Amino acid sequence: SQQGEEDPQALSIQEGENATMNCSYKTSINNLQWYRQNSGRGLVHLILIRSNEREKHSGRLRVTLDTSKKSSSLLITASRAADTASYFCATVGSSNTGKLIFGQGTTLQVKP
Amino acid sequence: EPEVTQTPSHQVTQMGQEVILRCVPISNHLYFYWYRQILGQKVEFLVSFYNNEISEKSEIFDDQFSVERPDGSNFTLKIRSTKLEDSAMYFCASSDEQGLGGYTFGSGTRLTVV
Repeated sequence: SQQGEEDPQALSIQEGENATMNCSYKTSINNLQWYRQNSGRGLVHLILIRSNEREKHSGRLRVTLDTSKKSSSLLITASRAADTASYFCATVGSSNTGKLIFGQGTTLQVKP
Repeated sequence: EPEVTQTPSHQVTQMGQEVILRCVPISNHLYFYWYRQILGQKVEFLVSFYNNEISEKSEIFDDQFSVERPDGSNFTLKIRSTKLEDSAMYFCASSDEQGLGGYTFGSGTRLTVV
């Protein structure tokens, strides 16, 4: 089954604007994580939200989780050109085997 | 900050050849993983490894694939007879808790099978 589908697939904004990316998933989860990937590089862990949490903040990042809708959103406030990257949500299932299931990702371009 | 190190960064190999991708996980981590990302596609789980054995593997991880932790620091992925469709970016990751915390990924090995 597909898991962690994101929208939009691509987002282009001006520096200083906020960027919102959404993620949907199909099965029950232990937690949901967001990762950033700069072009051709590795994945960097940004933030983790557990299934019993609804909202979490880390610096300019705000993540929400709605387990009833099986969806999450990542908000980046006051975006910078350096935020240009692909962003992926990834879920750990409720059985917690440790496996991460990734979505297709959102490509964010922040124009200076 | 501790890093997961992967070598080589890029490997080109002929179809049918064996390749070994190497990873040095973070030293106090206990859980190790391999993922791959075919160009333009999503990151896919291959295998997880704990306590010197495979915990879980995906359908992709068939008999052509194997993993090993030959010593206290390295974690390797071997593809015995590479196919064109094995061309991808391969990422190693490690974590100190199974699924309960963030994972640290390496920068990846780009494997090109020709």
